[in-house]
Amino acid sequence: AQSVAQPEDQVNVAEGNPLTVKCTYSVSGNPYLFWYVQYPNRGLQFLLKYITGDNLVKGSYGFEAEFNKSQTSFHLKKPSALVSDSALYFCAVRRLGDYKLSFGAGTTVTVRA
Amino acid sequence: DVKVTQSSRYLVKRTGEKVFLECVQDMDHENMFWYRQDPGLGLRLIYFSYDVKMKEKGDIPEGYSVSREKKERFSLILESASTNQTSMYLCASSSPGTLGAYEQYFGPGTRLTVT
Repeated sequence: AQSVAQPEDQVNVAEGNPLTVKCTYSVSGNPYLFWYVQYPNRGLQFLLKYITGDNLVKGSYGFEAEFNKSQTSFHLKKPSALVSDSALYFCAVRRLGDYKLSFGAGTTVTVRA
Repeated sequence: DVKVTQSSRYLVKRTGEKVFLECVQDMDHENMFWYRQDPGLGLRLIYFSYDVKMKEKGDIPEGYSVSREKKERFSLILESASTNQTSMYLCASSSPGTLGAYEQYFGPGTRLTVT
């Protein structure tokens, strides 16, 4: 079985401040980890993924995420948030050899000007 | 760029109607997926297909069926729509292989309301 937890339903930050969206996972074997973003009335857009190698992964729009195997976490970060980063963010995990991608419940990010 | 299109953005149907949701991708992807998205529950997998005419049940297949007659098209069918199927439906596709390294590309979604 595999699962993802996003412990915060909402994250509120001021523009220019660092943004962190938390994600922890549970999977047997090596995980493949993904972050997606959903803007209002839109489908999901891929941000970044961890497959193997460097624990710090860089993605689109200035986002990055750090894979921490001992803490089974894959937190999404951005050094300086923009108002346009306000959206719904999903973390997802897949196990090697499996088609299924399991999503967290999502975290709504609001960046105030 | 990968493009995944869905036949309708908004759909209103009556209880008991048969509903067809269509999805088309233009990147020759072998894998295609149907999810439903509900607030607080994230995305839940309904069905997926790894090849033409092949399908596998996801986490919540009850009340749904699928059809994949052509590689680029994956249809979701609600045999007899019920109010608890009111939701946002998202289609996705990905490159082939079971290793799982490939990201999925999503369509814009269809917001279905069953009255």
